[in-house]
Parts: sequence; C-alpha cells; structure tokens
Amino acid sequence: RKEVEQDPGPFNVPEGATVAFNCTYSNSASQSFFWYRQDCRKEPKLLMSVYSSGNEDGRFTAQLNRASQYISLLIRDSKLSDSATYLCVVTVFDYKLSFGAGTTVTVRA
Amino acid sequence: GAGVSQSPSNKVTEKGKDVELRCDPISGHTALYWYRQSLGQGLEFLIYFQGNSAPDKSGLPSDRFSAERTGGSVSTLTIQRTQQEDSAVYLCASSSRENTGELFFGEGSRLTVL
Repeated sequence: RKEVEQDPGPFNVPEGATVAFNCTYSNSASQSFFWYRQDCRKEPKLLMSVYSSGNEDGRFTAQLNRASQYISLLIRDSKLSDSATYLCVVTVFDYKLSFGAGTTVTVRA
Repeated sequence: GAGVSQSPSNKVTEKGKDVELRCDPISGHTALYWYRQSLGQGLEFLIYFQGNSAPDKSGLPSDRFSAERTGGSVSTLTIQRTQQEDSAVYLCASSSRENTGELFFGEGSRLTVL
C-alpha cells in the first residue's frame, strides 16, 4: 500500500466553482501534513501546511481527519491560475516527506 | 542565486553510461534532498543530507546510485551504468533546520536514457 494516495483526477471545473479533493495516508504515526502545488513541467512549491484544527489561506481551506487518516483541500472561487497538480505530503519523521502522486485540477474559462 | 540550482537541466545519455547531476542548495539551508519523479508519478525519495550527520540513503533504488554532499553545500547524484528505467526528472530540494516542512525545489534535471 502506498504511504500517500490521491485521486489523480483530473477535476475539470469552470471559473468560480468550488472544487475539493482528499488524500489518504497509511501511517497513523504521521506527524505533519502539507499541500504542495506543481505546475506543468515545473518544480513543486509549498501551498500550505495543514493543521489539526483546519486552516484557511485565502480561497484555500485544508482539513485534517486523523481518525480516518485523510486530509482535504478545498478551493473556492476557482481561478484559471489554480490549474495545477496538487500534491499531498505527509511526514512521519520530521524530515522524511512522502509525496502523493497528485491531483490534477483544470479550471476552464 | 537565491534559489536551488540544478545542472544539467536536460541530459540524454546512452544505456550503460554514467551520469552526474549537480545541486547547489539555498545558502544556509542545512537539509538537502534528492527526489525522482517519473512521468505521471509522485516524487520518490532518494536520499537526505542534514548537516554533518550520516545521510539517509534508504531511498536509493540500487547500488548504481550514489550521492555526496561536499562541505555541507553542493551535492552530486551519480548514476552508474544507466538503464532506461532511470529516465526521470531528478529533483533536488533544500530546507532550513527551523522549517523542515517547506522544501524549496530546483527546476530539476531531466534524464533520458536511450
């Protein structure tokens, strides 16, 4: 079983729509959680950390459910520029980040 | 420069040849990672360096792969006797000790083994 699993999508949504997707992780000892964003043929970049109580950063909301071992990302009021692959990242040890294969989101005009 | 620098950006080689990929991390970052990303796949952890500690080599796929980090800065990933399945983008990342969750990636070295 993979350490981090994501629905690859693609999620194809119109501008202004809300899109949400989850990521599951297998190790219950996982400590830290992140969402990274990767544009086509570019390097990944940190989008946001995910905190136990859930957190928002502008139009982006991240949630953590430790009991069911998943994290989620919700994007409100989607923009064309939100089109990217979103990588779920989980750490067990403080330095060992495990990346999911990513969820592709395409926002259309 | 201010970011992580990798070279070469593209490398085409013949099966059986050795290749070296270089990474220059952000100045002051003590942690350095190598990941591999194949088409449509997630990032595969290869190796981790932290300061002067022994590296975590647990992700290296075979003994054809090795990496070193000289002087706590520049790192070189070496692949000996390349195989077609080694074709991928090799990504280097660095992070500070204070914020280990935020990795700053280079643009990667795209390796194609013919």
